[in-house]
Amino acid sequence: DAKTTQPPSMDCAEGRAANLPCNHSTISGNEYVYWYRQIHSQGPQYIIHGLKNNETNEMASLIITEDRKSSTLILPHATLRDTAVYYCIVRVAGSARQLTFGSGTQLTVLP
Amino acid sequence: GAVVSQHPSWVICKSGTSVKIECRSLDFQATTMFWYRQFPKQSLMLMATSNEGSKATYEQGVEKDKFLINHASLTLSTLTVTSAHPEDSSFYICSASLAANTGELFFGEGSRLTVL
Repeated sequence: DAKTTQPPSMDCAEGRAANLPCNHSTISGNEYVYWYRQIHSQGPQYIIHGLKNNETNEMASLIITEDRKSSTLILPHATLRDTAVYYCIVRVAGSARQLTFGSGTQLTVLP
Repeated sequence: GAVVSQHPSWVICKSGTSVKIECRSLDFQATTMFWYRQFPKQSLMLMATSNEGSKATYEQGVEKDKFLINHASLTLSTLTVTSAHPEDSSFYICSASLAANTGELFFGEGSRLTVL
């Protein structure tokens, strides 16, 4: 699975958009970009995933660059409850494959 | 999203005892479940892959005789920490896959084990 690089921490003001970057320059054509987050002392929560098109759901938007070497997770209106560690993971799809977690980005939403 | 439930959410035990943690997929069948361990201020580390009806596959460095995994049905996998020691104190998290085509994983709430 391709390696990802994320900033270790970010702050965001409550109510503003949080933009979390992820670099995955060695991504292969059949690898998806997944985003998960982990609120303190809880299990990770699936947010969104995509292959090459931008994706949006009720939680967030995922913007993938045309060359697929980087992506950005956007939380449009961050709340205090969005404070968490956000993980960007790249891997081939398939139910029998695990997720390999890196260090992630600690997002702190400030009041 | 799909629901994965773990029990217990926290447990305290004495050194030398065994502890069982259950992981259930509540609204779907999971042929494969994954067990992770997370130490304070660290990321999740995969311990083993649990396959229904067959032996689990353990990651390098994880003792299969110490961390017993059973996946007897399509909705239940168990992790038993045998002869627990204080260094086994950690946050144990299971996950299961919902969709075979895109393979997003759903995680349990985690089980915090403290060994005295």
